[in-house]
Amino acid sequence: GESVGLHLPTLSVQEGDNSIINCAYSNSASDYFIWYKQESGKGPQFIIDIRSNMDKRQGQRVTVLLNKTVKHLSLQIAATQPGDSAVYFCAEKGAGGTSYGKLTFGQGTILTVHP
Amino acid sequence: KAGVTQTPRYLIKTRGQQVTLSCSPISGHRSVSWYQQTPGQGLQFLFEYFSETQRNKGNFPGRFSGRQFSNSRSEMNVSTLELGDSALYLCASSWTTGNEQFFGPGTRLTVL
Repeated sequence: GESVGLHLPTLSVQEGDNSIINCAYSNSASDYFIWYKQESGKGPQFIIDIRSNMDKRQGQRVTVLLNKTVKHLSLQIAATQPGDSAVYFCAEKGAGGTSYGKLTFGQGTILTVHP
Repeated sequence: KAGVTQTPRYLIKTRGQQVTLSCSPISGHRSVSWYQQTPGQGLQFLFEYFSETQRNKGNFPGRFSGRQFSNSRSEMNVSTLELGDSALYLCASSWTTGNEQFFGPGTRLTVL
């Protein structure tokens, strides 16, 4: 049958605005979550991570929030810049057994920052 | 410190052929994972190698295989190529299984 491509969510913001990118994860046993940024023609680049025993972690201009009750992650980017334009992926890492260390990625969100 | 390198960066093959992709991890990293990225399926885990042993495998057919050498460099092989194998193949390395993974730029495979 015909394959259906992923329809990636998109977020369009003005330079200087704050951006919030959301992600729902699937495995309640996952113990580690990562946000990656992928620019065109490049591999994913690590942005920030968070362990399941935390609900918030801050980096430089970025904050990750974890809500385990509803299995939801968000990435907040402060003062978004044109260089932040990319596809953003959340990933969850298996906690044990045959899933240990294996990354499962979300579908991605396209962030476009307008000058 | 040099990042993860992948060769070749671009490859064009025809259906039925086979292909071998190479990945050199960051110096000192012993774990190498491979991922397939397509517009239809997104990023999907293929397999992970640590100390020359496959530790984890994703849900891909047996046509996809890999190996790791004693210097931690890894290769993946796809036999009997199909049109649907066209994708960006990404390699990621880490100190060991479960640690932060650093990705290479990928190999863009096109199957005609």
